[in-house]
Amino acid sequence: EIVMIQSPATLSVSPGERATLSCRASQSVSSNLAWYQHRPGQAPRLLVHGASTRATGIPARFSGSGSGTEFTLTISSLQSEDFAVYYCQQYNNWPWTFGQGTKVEIK
Amino acid sequence: EVQLVESGGGLVQPGGSLRLSCAASGFTFSSNWMSWVRQAPGRGLEWVANIWQDEGEKYYVDSVRGRFTISRDNAKNSLYLQMNSLRAEDTAVYYCAREPMGEAGSLFDYWGQGTLVSVSS
Repeated sequence: EIVMIQSPATLSVSPGERATLSCRASQSVSSNLAWYQHRPGQAPRLLVHGASTRATGIPARFSGSGSGTEFTLTISSLQSEDFAVYYCQQYNNWPWTFGQGTKVEIK
Repeated sequence: EVQLVESGGGLVQPGGSLRLSCAASGFTFSSNWMSWVRQAPGRGLEWVANIWQDEGEKYYVDSVRGRFTISRDNAKNSLYLQMNSLRAEDTAVYYCAREPMGEAGSLFDYWGQGTLVSVSS
């Protein structure tokens, strides 16, 4: 099973600032990496797939990069609605696995 | 608009059973793989099971194989998860999720709001 490690566990950011979230895989997942946003009490939302392709309707301030074992999600200018938990997920090898999440909170 | 609405969660004793349902709308349900994903309290997301369009293929995470059964009724646009021999560690919010077409692996482009399953005596 591929283990996904996200860092940091919590990121404190002021509105308007940039946030950089990291995700590392225990072995290569090529570019088969997705990012999700999860707000409390809501359905998770797909942000990025293929490591760098924004999902339909996702604002341009969200960008993904990386391949192999190292991946990054960048939120260029945090808006109030962006404070949430973010998960990465690999879909290169069964079973499909998620990271433990990074909570982005207001500083 | 794609909508996924789960139901059937609740409190059950260890060893008991529960059947979750997911009502889908806004897309051609029979065209997509569908999954169940869960989140235990204070934990991250965990993929549980998925099912092919015509039920020809089903896959399960090791921790539920033999206890949970995923199924679907394309005529009713519905996905199900029969959960037997429930354990405390199965306590979680269970999400129904759609898998987009054209991907070699499973990712999830639409999710429901989830239904809470609590296993406790």
